Amino acid sequence: GAVVSQHPSRVICKSGTSVKIECRSLDFQATTMFWYRQFPKQSLMLMATSNEGSKATYEQGVEKDKFLINHASLTLSTLTVTSAHPEDSSFYICSASEGWVETQYFGPGTRLLVL
Amino acid sequence: DAKTTQPTSMDCAEGRAANLPCNHSTISGNEYVYWYRQIHSQGPQYIIHGLKNNETNEMASLIITEDRKSSTLILPHATLRDTAVYYCIVRVDGPNAGGTSYGKLTFGQGTILTVHP
Repeated sequence: GAVVSQHPSRVICKSGTSVKIECRSLDFQATTMFWYRQFPKQSLMLMATSNEGSKATYEQGVEKDKFLINHASLTLSTLTVTSAHPEDSSFYICSASEGWVETQYFGPGTRLLVL
Repeated sequence: DAKTTQPTSMDCAEGRAANLPCNHSTISGNEYVYWYRQIHSQGPQYIIHGLKNNETNEMASLIITEDRKSSTLILPHATLRDTAVYYCIVRVDGPNAGGTSYGKLTFGQGTILTVHP
């Protein structure tokens, strides 16, 4: 149980385009979802937290207009990187939990390369 | 958030027990100890968590000292597939906790565990 999927697993795009990443909880209802970013040889950094049906809460330094998060259902959250630039190239990972204090289960990650 | 301290790297022979230590001397009463691992180019995998009692599941055992200032993750029979970065994280899980750190996982640098034949 507790399986989280992400799509796509890898994406290459041109600078200036927008990219949407999906995160799905496959066998449980995810009241809360988290989005992380990981640069090479670094640890995971939390970008934002979202609760189903509510606006996301962004960490300090993360631009909410650039990283749009939608958590419209209990099994799906999306992260859209708008007007992507090469510095946005990173490994984006989502996690999902049944609530704020429940265990977080992570997706396999999406590798974004912006040319 | 209480911070954790882990060794940068450790080695273990295949088939032997891997004991990964973690210090969390400033842990608060409502903070749980979580362990995750990340195999190269994958998302983190949940291993185990606990508050003050020792815990065991099919993957590992978690030993928490009585004063809760440190813990040890034990992989009883390490295999080559256990080679990964292991993260020890303390998280506010208490029902009355509040503030901006509530429920969040803050990842440090973790311990790179290498299991060799």
